[in-house]
Amino acid sequence: NAGVTQTPKFRILKIGQSMTLQCTQDMNHNYMYWYRQDPGMGLKLIYYSVGAGITDKGEVPNGYNVSRSTTEDFPLRLELAAPSQTSVYFCASSSTLQGNQPQHFGDGTRLSIL
Amino acid sequence: DAKTTQPPSMDCAEGRAANLPCNHSTISGNEYVYWYRQIHSQGPQYIIHGLKNNETNEMASLIITEDRKSSTLILPHATLRDTAVYYCIVRNNNDMRFGAGTRLTVKP
Repeated sequence: NAGVTQTPKFRILKIGQSMTLQCTQDMNHNYMYWYRQDPGMGLKLIYYSVGAGITDKGEVPNGYNVSRSTTEDFPLRLELAAPSQTSVYFCASSSTLQGNQPQHFGDGTRLSIL
Repeated sequence: DAKTTQPPSMDCAEGRAANLPCNHSTISGNEYVYWYRQIHSQGPQYIIHGLKNNETNEMASLIITEDRKSSTLILPHATLRDTAVYYCIVRNNNDMRFGAGTRLTVKP
């Protein structure tokens, strides 16, 4: 019953450091997404992927990179961490890109950049 | 920007029905109405979705007006564990824009 699993749950970074947020799903979904959620706000789409080897930008892609080498995994990389990237990051997956199937979310990674 | 408008907060008595409204006056014909909730700081939890017809599942009911410009999420017997932020989202393909949602507080 794992669904979408994100690691780590919490992380503190120094300005300029880099890190990779991991996301894996066991539902054999082709479509995967990364969102960020700032305090008191809704989620904003960073990047999404429609299958292995295919990714595309969302609403707020600057400062992030993604890759999709397998169906299961969709890591998000921060190359030069900045305080503005302090946020909660959620990964999601769905069986279709169309609107008739829900996206399923992980429990998030809470990232602080100091 | 989110395509929906929701009240920022609502209260509900435990055991009573919670009716959460949402306006989506610019919805297109192929866009679905989705409801998610977020309890504390957990990941968004899918509740229900619909296109034109009213929908019901084990968690809630979704009532969509005939012109599709608004909808209501109904939690039939709210419990304290239903206290959460509820998001109404109009979705087409990957575009799922979350607004600020409605903070529902269920009180004893």
